[in-house]
Amino acid sequence: GAVVSQHPSRVICKSGTSVKIECRSLDFQATTMFWYRQFPKKSLMLMATSNEGSKATYEQGVEKDKFLINHASLTLSTLTVTSAHPEDSSFYICSAGRGQTNQPQHFGDGTRLSIL
Amino acid sequence: QQQVKQSPQSLIVQKGGIPIINCAYENTAFDYFPWYQQFPGKGPALLIAIRPDVSEKKEGRFTISFNKSAKQFSLHIMDSQPGDSATYFCAASPWTSGSRLTFGEGTQLTVNP
Repeated sequence: GAVVSQHPSRVICKSGTSVKIECRSLDFQATTMFWYRQFPKKSLMLMATSNEGSKATYEQGVEKDKFLINHASLTLSTLTVTSAHPEDSSFYICSAGRGQTNQPQHFGDGTRLSIL
Repeated sequence: QQQVKQSPQSLIVQKGGIPIINCAYENTAFDYFPWYQQFPGKGPALLIAIRPDVSEKKEGRFTISFNKSAKQFSLHIMDSQPGDSATYFCAASPWTSGSRLTFGEGTQLTVNP
């Protein structure tokens, strides 16, 4: 089946550091990738949608300068949390879709980000 | 109109029981309804999905029932096992994988031995 790989699975860093999270579709071309944030015991909250080769579309209330998204190829999207602070600590999850096809989205295993 | 309402928030059953999780939606543009299973520290995994052209879909021990007129759909887990203990999310979207999913709030299922 389709596989989406997310890396790193866990990162702990100091406040003020920028952290990059990678999301790769391993066996299909992902024309669209989604980035979610999930708080403990809560549902997934969509942060942004990125289409390959174009700027990401951010959800209301998500700071685009804080959460930089790049989708430069059909198999890779990155989320960079810039100048991270403790309130940015969360579980970040990506998913990948094939665009206008009848195939479901597939999710990565998430990245646990802890800012000290 | 974009919300998907999911209930119950948590559910405890005995092994062999049949937990049922319900979801309701408002947006008539939704025509794809997947269920995801999530274990702690992992991303959601697609469990089963249904389109509105059928009222029921079964895959192994998992069954989706769909009521288009009521805009409701539910997940039934037959012969539940302790390994089924996880958080389950329903979702809805228009039918393309490029469309954003609208998730329910999640149901934490515990299956006791």
